[in-house]
Amino acid sequence: GAVVSQHPSRVICKSGTSVKIECRSLDFQATTMFWYRQFPKKSLMLMATSNEGSKATYEQGVEKDKFLINHASLTLSTLTVTSAHPEDSSFYICSVSGGETEAFFGQGTRLTVV
Amino acid sequence: GQNIDQPTEMTATEGAIVQINCTYQTSGFNGLFWYQQHAGEAPTFLSYNVLDGLEEKGRFSSFLSRSKGYSYLLLKELQMKDSASYLCAVKDSNYQLIWGAGTKLIIKP
Repeated sequence: GAVVSQHPSRVICKSGTSVKIECRSLDFQATTMFWYRQFPKKSLMLMATSNEGSKATYEQGVEKDKFLINHASLTLSTLTVTSAHPEDSSFYICSVSGGETEAFFGQGTRLTVV
Repeated sequence: GQNIDQPTEMTATEGAIVQINCTYQTSGFNGLFWYQQHAGEAPTFLSYNVLDGLEEKGRFSSFLSRSKGYSYLLLKELQMKDSASYLCAVKDSNYQLIWGAGTKLIIKP
C-alpha cells in the first residue's frame, strides 16, 4: 500500500502564530488527499479534501481562511493553521485514498497551542 | 443525515473473543472499513467488506449485512496489544469516508 509521511509529529506553538503541517505520499501519486481532525476520544472529522492543482474543498463549518491547504504537487499537500488559538489544539491526520478500497494515513500531528 | 453507531467502550479478557458491532445509515454504500487506532497514532487498516458475509484475516474477522446496515469485527485469541480503539467507517455514494466515533477496547489479563 501507499506510504504517507506526515511532518511534524508534534508541535507546540504560541497563540497567534501559524503552523504548517506537511503530508507527503512517498510512493503514490495522489491527486486527492484528505485532512482530518480528531479530538480526544472522538471520531475522525473530515476538514477538507485537497485537490492537486486546484482549490481545496472544505467541509461545512471549517474556516478556509484559517486552515489553508495547498496541494502543489502530486506528492505533497500542506495544511497551515493560521493565527492559532488554544481551541485549535488537536490531532491532525492526512490520508491518501488507495482507490476504491483502503485509505492510507500519515502518522498524524499533535498540535498544542499555548 | 448520515450516522454510524458503535459502542463507546468494551472490556475483554486476554485469550478470549470479542465482537464489536457497527450499524450505519448512509447515503449510498461503497464499502465498510474497520481500522485500529492506538492512542496518539494514526489509524491502521484492518478490513474491508463490500459484499455480504464474513471476511477472515488471521485473528480478525469482519462481517457485513448490507440489508441490515450492520457489521461486526470479531477478534479472537485476544492479546494485550489489541488494546486500542476500533473505528468503523463507510464509504458513501460520493466515495467519502464516514467515520464512527470508535470503540475503545480494554484487554485485561
